[in-house]
Amino acid sequence: DTGVSQNPRHKITKRGQNVTFRCDPISEHNRLYWYRQTLGQGPEFLTYFQNEAQLEKSRLLSDRFSAERPKGSFSTLEIQRTEQGDSAMYLCASSLEGERQPQHFGDGTRLSIL
Amino acid sequence: GNSVTQMEGPVTLSEEAFLTINCTYTATGYPSLFWYVQYPGEGLQLLLKATKADDKGSNKGFEATYRKETTSFHLEKGSVQVSDSAVYFCALSDSSGGYNKLIFGAGTRLAVHP
Repeated sequence: DTGVSQNPRHKITKRGQNVTFRCDPISEHNRLYWYRQTLGQGPEFLTYFQNEAQLEKSRLLSDRFSAERPKGSFSTLEIQRTEQGDSAMYLCASSLEGERQPQHFGDGTRLSIL
Repeated sequence: GNSVTQMEGPVTLSEEAFLTINCTYTATGYPSLFWYVQYPGEGLQLLLKATKADDKGSNKGFEATYRKETTSFHLEKGSVQVSDSAVYFCALSDSSGGYNKLIFGAGTRLAVHP
């Protein structure tokens, strides 16, 4: 049973550059979530996909952020014109459909903005 | 809105000591409750869950009981080990949108020394 896979594990970039992260969920999971975790805090919800449909976006997700899940498989999260405040751990999770199903997390992508 | 409050850390214990990490929540409806653990540089691992009042979740010697009357889900372990050193997150599942957005507490760091 392969878990949730995220790439890259670490990304260092200069302010103003664009970055893209990838998440491969557990294969039979049709729900996929993105969260952001800053130092010393718990993760905060960013967005949710059911299959290929993006059904909710948090107010944390400014217009510089875009997420996709083509064909309902892997997902990408892109940040355009990165800012210092974007430095964080970006976590992806997936789950089966169902109100009580737990979410399974990947190891995250740590983004550092120089 | 829904929220989770955890006791502040760090919690420092000697090996074989008893552990309690307090967690209380505010929620409308009947959320599922979770404890996740995060080791350094890694994502979150599901530790245990409870889906309704009076349910007890347990795993690897850890336990937590869903107490609706006190809106609490305290984590306990009878005898901690050095390998339990990590950050522990309490979370609730907000399913008001028809899916399971997780709302996390700020996390409690546990340090166990020999």
